[in-house]
Amino acid sequence: SAVISQKPSRDICQRGTSLTIQCQVDSQVTMMFWYRQQPGQSLTLIATANQGSEATYESGFVIDKFPISRPNLTFSTLTVSNMSPEDSSIYLCSVAGRGTADSYNEQFFGPGTRLTVL
Amino acid sequence: EDKVVQSPLSLVVHEGDTVTLNCSYEVTNFRSLLWYKQEKKAPTFLFMLTSSGIEKKSGRLSSILDKKELFSILNITATQTGDSAVYLCAVEAWGSRLTFGEGTQLTVNP
Repeated sequence: SAVISQKPSRDICQRGTSLTIQCQVDSQVTMMFWYRQQPGQSLTLIATANQGSEATYESGFVIDKFPISRPNLTFSTLTVSNMSPEDSSIYLCSVAGRGTADSYNEQFFGPGTRLTVL
Repeated sequence: EDKVVQSPLSLVVHEGDTVTLNCSYEVTNFRSLLWYKQEKKAPTFLFMLTSSGIEKKSGRLSSILDKKELFSILNITATQTGDSAVYLCAVEAWGSRLTFGEGTQLTVNP
């Protein structure tokens, strides 16, 4: 499996500010994703990070609130913009395996970033 | 809308017991079903199932998929306190997008 790191591992932020979370993989992967896990809930997909093009957002998530970059096949960032206490969550990046989009790809998760917004 | 339902939502057992966790789904463009174990922040990959009736096994854990009845089970035999965690079921649709169930909180008491 790929080795995935995220920075920061946790942060406490003030309302109205923005935080950028980084996700680094130790090898090139076809697909990268960003998920959110709100307290006491399961994981929800925010968007697919596309290399060289705009991210694909799920229903309920928009680029202005969660801008995403993916400049290459091993790195992505998620920014949580204009934060409110409702954004307090664990944010996780995940990567699919090294296969193509048509093959079966096991998906692995980074260690997560625990965000608290005051 | 894709939907994944896990049961039970929580389970408390004693060490040595065997447990069965359930996952049912309704997903458009199904590709695979995945099981994860979540202890702190990051879900840890357990199994990926793509075909019906083929059991996947890893130590005391095993899982099987029924694509006709749209469900999967995860079995853990001879449970240990280290098995205490939330077990997540996710279904992969087109583009490797995952839809997760609510999870089963398993507590194994000594």
